[in-house]
Formats: sequence, C-alpha cells, structure tokens
Amino acid sequence: AQTVTQSQPEMSVQEAETVTLSCTYDTSESNYYLFWYKQPPSRQMILVIRQEAYKQQNATENRFSVNFQKAAKSFSLKISDSQLGDTAMYFCAFEWWETSGSRLTFGEGTQLTVNP
Amino acid sequence: DVKVTQSSRYLVKRTGEKVFLECVQDMDHENMFWYRQDPGLGLRLIYFSYDVKMKEKGDIPEGYSVSREKKERFSLILESASTNQTSMYLCASIVEGLNTEAFFGQGTRLTVV
Repeated sequence: AQTVTQSQPEMSVQEAETVTLSCTYDTSESNYYLFWYKQPPSRQMILVIRQEAYKQQNATENRFSVNFQKAAKSFSLKISDSQLGDTAMYFCAFEWWETSGSRLTFGEGTQLTVNP
Repeated sequence: DVKVTQSSRYLVKRTGEKVFLECVQDMDHENMFWYRQDPGLGLRLIYFSYDVKMKEKGDIPEGYSVSREKKERFSLILESASTNQTSMYLCASIVEGLNTEAFFGQGTRLTVV
C-alpha cells in the first residue's frame, strides 16, 4: 500500500520569507508521480507542482520548488518570497497506476499561514 | 478549463436519510474519485471509478455506495446517513499522461443532524 505522511500540521511564515513543507511517502512502486496541491479558504483544490519519479531534476514553478529525494522517499515543497495569498492547506499526494487506471492518495495536510 | 462541479456546496441532512452527492466533469476523464476530508486526516478515498458502470472501493467505503451511469457523472450515495458522516466531500477526476493532474470540485460540506 502507498502511504503519504506530512508531519507538520501547521506552519507559519512572514511575508517575503521562505518556508519548506515536508512530506515523506512509502511505496514499492518504481513509477509514480508526486504532487503538492493547495486548498485555500475558498476550498478549491489546485495543483501547485508535479514531479515525475523517473526525473532526477527537481521541479520548479515560479516561487515553488521541490526537493525530491527518491531513495529517502522524501518530497518537500519550498515556497520562496511567501505571499499572503499562499495562506492555504497544502497536501502532498502520490499517484500510481493499476491495471484499471490511476490511483491517488494524499497526506494529512499542512496548514500554512503567511503573516504580514 | 476543466470543470468538476458538485451539486451542493452545503448540505444538512437528518440521521437515517438517504443522501445523494452529485459530481459532473466536462473533460471526458475516465477516472473519477470521491474523497472525504477531515481535519488531521487529510483526504481519504471512499470510492473510485475508472469507467462507466465500473467502480472500486477505496479505503473507507463502509456506509457509502456510488453510481456511474454516464462517463461525466459520478454520484456518491449515503445509504442511511449517520452523524459520523458529517464531513467535507470532494469529487475529483484525473487526466492521465505526462501532465497528469487531478481536478477537484468545490467540495460539499455535509452536516448530518
């Protein structure tokens, strides 16, 4: 079974500073994707960043970047120059494939608050 | 833009009622999912469907059933609502491939009284 663990229920950061959210996962799959999703107070879940397991290069999307350590099964999210609009619940997620299609499992979530 | 639409944003039901939560996606995705979101527990998979009339149990299927009669619509059914089913319910559909991504509805906050 695939599991995803986020050990930081809550975090806070000052505006313009950098923050790192942690995620570890457990799997015996060799091919998979990892994601960070953001859920702001509006509740609409949106994709922040995607990482293919077979790619060694860490994914980046503007102010968002990941540190993907495949051997350690670690997938952290770094947010640079934090903005008030980054305040949200962040979920780490793991996608793999069975014969019938995709499967997607999530961590417990980290509530990030950006303070002015 | 891909849209996943859930029929209700807020819902209040009585214990023992049969409850239907509807989800419609407009991008012809094959894979659709129902999750339950609770504080400290993240999103837990209730059921998923990979094709019309095909369904599989997720991690917490007890007390729920699903229906997928058409590709675009995936319904979650609470056979006899109980107070421990008070929660946020999220529907998602997934586009597979190199740019795989899950698209979510806006969530239904269900309260069972």
